[in-house]
Amino acid sequence: DIQMTQSPSSLSASVGDRVTITCRASQGIRSDLGWYQQKPGKAPKRLIYAASTLQSGVPSRFSGSGSGTEFTLTISSLQPEDFATYYCLQHNSYPLTFGGGTKVEIK
Amino acid sequence: QLQLQESGPGLVKPSETLSLTCTVSGGSMNSRDYYWGWIRQPPGKGLEWIGSIYYSGTTYYNPSLNSRVTISVDTSKNQFSLKLSSVIAADTAVYYCVRRPYGVPPGGWGQGTLVTVSS
Repeated sequence: DIQMTQSPSSLSASVGDRVTITCRASQGIRSDLGWYQQKPGKAPKRLIYAASTLQSGVPSRFSGSGSGTEFTLTISSLQPEDFATYYCLQHNSYPLTFGGGTKVEIK
Repeated sequence: QLQLQESGPGLVKPSETLSLTCTVSGGSMNSRDYYWGWIRQPPGKGLEWIGSIYYSGTTYYNPSLNSRVTISVDTSKNQFSLKLSSVIAADTAVYYCVRRPYGVPPGGWGQGTLVTVSS
């Protein structure tokens, strides 16, 4: 199985801050990675696929980068509605595996 | 507009079989473009992929659950199903059904259904 190591597991930030979340894969996964946002009591919402392609309707302050084994999700200017938990998911090979999640909290 | 809706018992006894159905509306399941799958999330924890099925019936399961999981599809009813046998308390989770476009991570998700394993 491919292990996805996501960091940090939590962070505190203020509105307007730039936030970066990292996922590292235990082996190369090309660009077969997606990022999700999950709010309490809701299903995850896909933000980015193919490592850097923004899902239609997702604000441009979200961006993704990376390929191979190291990936980042960046929120350029944190907004109140962005406080949530974020997950990466690799779909390069079965079983699909998620990162452990990053909870973004208000400072 | 695509909608997925999970249904099934919210309480299952230990050692019994968990059975859930996902009803798909707003799109046909009989397409080469998509996989249909299940993901779960124990309360307060992260996400775990359970398995997927292609319209042809080919299945892919998480090895950690492989011997207990069966996913099937009924394209005539626009439904697919999950069966998880010999459940234990650790199988308590919110179960999501998802649609995964070929070559892309899952995009459409159901709202999720909480299944509690308890006597």
